[in-house]
Amino acid sequence: DGGITQSPKYLFRKEGQNVTLSCEQNLNHDAMYWYRQDPGQGLRLIYYSQIVNDFQKGDIAEGYSVSREKKESFPLTVTSAQKNPTAFYLCASSTGGISSGELFFGEGSRLTVL
Amino acid sequence: SQELEQSPQSLIVQEGKNLTINCTSSKTLYGLYWYKQKYGEGLIFLMMLQKGGEEKSHEKITAKLDEKKQQSSLHITASQPSHAGIYLCGADIGSNDYKLSFGAGTTVTVRA
Repeated sequence: DGGITQSPKYLFRKEGQNVTLSCEQNLNHDAMYWYRQDPGQGLRLIYYSQIVNDFQKGDIAEGYSVSREKKESFPLTVTSAQKNPTAFYLCASSTGGISSGELFFGEGSRLTVL
Repeated sequence: SQELEQSPQSLIVQEGKNLTINCTSSKTLYGLYWYKQKYGEGLIFLMMLQKGGEEKSHEKITAKLDEKKQQSSLHITASQPSHAGIYLCGADIGSNDYKLSFGAGTTVTVRA
């Protein structure tokens, strides 16, 4: 079955440590996204990638980094520079831009900083 | 401030009753997407609306985009426990073809 796989589902990190969240899709989608979700707030865009080897900052990119070396994969690194990293992170993909159709979402990764 | 305002923030409905959720923007909506989320899980796509006055239905859920394309409503008829969850609207407001702006969500509780 086609879909988006995020791992790990739960992750605990000590302050000052970097952590990488995995996102893999087998939908053959060109575009991939990372969103952050906090209680009482809408999803906020961290980074997006229109095509392999290219990515752009979203609204809240500070303290995060990404790579897009393969079409199927779009890992997100939460660095120690991110001041408030505890959140629920969602990865998504789409065939092209938003106007081409809906975003497909993974199951999410919950990061807790201890 | 949020680009999209959802109301209500939460609601409790008796099983079998109807409910309506609203999503309002101060800007023209070039595309409006409704998603459902179970707590701690990913988003499930429900419907997409693009044309003013457009209305779509799936099973007992109906979504409509107003003529001015600045407000959308999601209506559930004869609610069931399976309708419980968080409903989010996402919108293309034309600033970037790769940016979907989201409302804060509406939490729906269905009581038996």
